[in-house]
Amino acid sequence: NAGVTQTPKFQVLKTGQSMTLQCAQDMNHEYMSWYRQDPGMGLRLIHYSVGAGITDQGEVPNGYNVSRSTTEDFPLRLLSAAPSQTSVYFCASSSLSGTSGETEQFFGPGTRLTVL
Amino acid sequence: GENVEQHPSTLSVQEGDSAVIKCTYSDSASNYFPWYKQELGKRPQLIIDIRSNVGEKKDQRIAVTLNKTAKHFSLHITETQPEDSAVYFCAATLGSGAGSYQLTFGKGTKLSVIP
Repeated sequence: NAGVTQTPKFQVLKTGQSMTLQCAQDMNHEYMSWYRQDPGMGLRLIHYSVGAGITDQGEVPNGYNVSRSTTEDFPLRLLSAAPSQTSVYFCASSSLSGTSGETEQFFGPGTRLTVL
Repeated sequence: GENVEQHPSTLSVQEGDSAVIKCTYSDSASNYFPWYKQELGKRPQLIIDIRSNVGEKKDQRIAVTLNKTAKHFSLHITETQPEDSAVYFCAATLGSGAGSYQLTFGKGTKLSVIP
């Protein structure tokens, strides 16, 4: 199994450009999520999904859209990139078979995004 | 929502000494507390977790303790080695309902083990 994969690994955008960060998992996990990681801020939840067709907002959703058309894929769209969105983005997935979130979240390798 | 505080932000220890990282959480309904290790340039990886019905859990040189009354939990690393150098994150679930799978993370502790 490849686990959780993300593309691209690195991306540079200009302010106002849009792009999609790709995330895929091959573990048949129901739960998928996107985090951003900034220095000294830890990991902050952007959006999450508990299954195909179901998405919800996390702590810092502004400026980002998500969709979940399949179990495997959970893309993150930046609508109009801003310098404040410069960050490292991690996708994660987990099974929902445990009780109340008691299952490991597996992280992808991350995408380092710079917005000029 | 849940708030997780983590201390210290940086920690330096001599090889062979113990390291302790502490976290507090705000939502009394939180019931799952994982710890992640992130090496430089890598993804976070789970190293140990604890559930709210357990007070302590140990895995070789790593242990986690939970005090539900005080709403705090700690990571203990004994006999530290240079390869333990990394950033460690604590986390807690939001609680019951649809948010029970959302993890709220602390801001991280950078551990440096000095040979």
